[in-house]
Amino acid sequence: IAGITQAPTSQILAAGRRMTLRCTQDMRHNAMYWYRQDLGLGLRLIHYSNTAGTTGKGEVPDGYSVSRANTDDFPLTLASAVPSQTSVYFCASRKEDVYNTEAFFGQGTRLTVV
Amino acid sequence: QQQVKQSPQSLIVQKGGIPIINCAYENTAFDYFPWYQQFPGKGPALLIAIRPDVSEKKEGRFTISFNKSAKQFSLHIMDSQPGDSATYFCAASVQGGSEKLVFGKGTKLTVNP
Repeated sequence: IAGITQAPTSQILAAGRRMTLRCTQDMRHNAMYWYRQDLGLGLRLIHYSNTAGTTGKGEVPDGYSVSRANTDDFPLTLASAVPSQTSVYFCASRKEDVYNTEAFFGQGTRLTVV
Repeated sequence: QQQVKQSPQSLIVQKGGIPIINCAYENTAFDYFPWYQQFPGKGPALLIAIRPDVSEKKEGRFTISFNKSAKQFSLHIMDSQPGDSATYFCAASVQGGSEKLVFGKGTKLTVNP
């Protein structure tokens, strides 16, 4: 693994079903993020984690939950999917210090809720 | 409230042209301003970034111009090529702080041959 890996690449999900999007990084970055990308709306932050064991809400957290049990993994869960959650989801990581603030993104998960 | 406003939403230029994408911000605590490039089906990737202690930064054909007093920054692409066709996002954050990267809504650039 090099960088950030997201799984699955794409998924079609029935409304009301539970789904977990996986994200793993091997760069030992302390901070991780989940964004959703929708046409005309850009990248909107769903949840973030500044370090293992802590999480926070972003701009559009409703309907989503996250956990950060260790440094490498940051799964995003949709407890009961709705069609408005159809989107492309990107996981990102970043080493937040005074010198390096580049964020690295995964390839994305395209989710369709029907 | 949108913290970073980006324009235009889309841009079409001919090969060799100089597309310019503009961004404006409100939070004066922001001190790191990156631009990300995204190709279809891929995740965004850092293109170039600037800190407010300089007014301009160049990397190859890409230049960021920064106006601290106006709270604006822009991306210029010199001698644009069809391979530059992508979506470009500006962003802002506080270096070393807990402030997350805040993105503009993106500009879809098309460079025609």
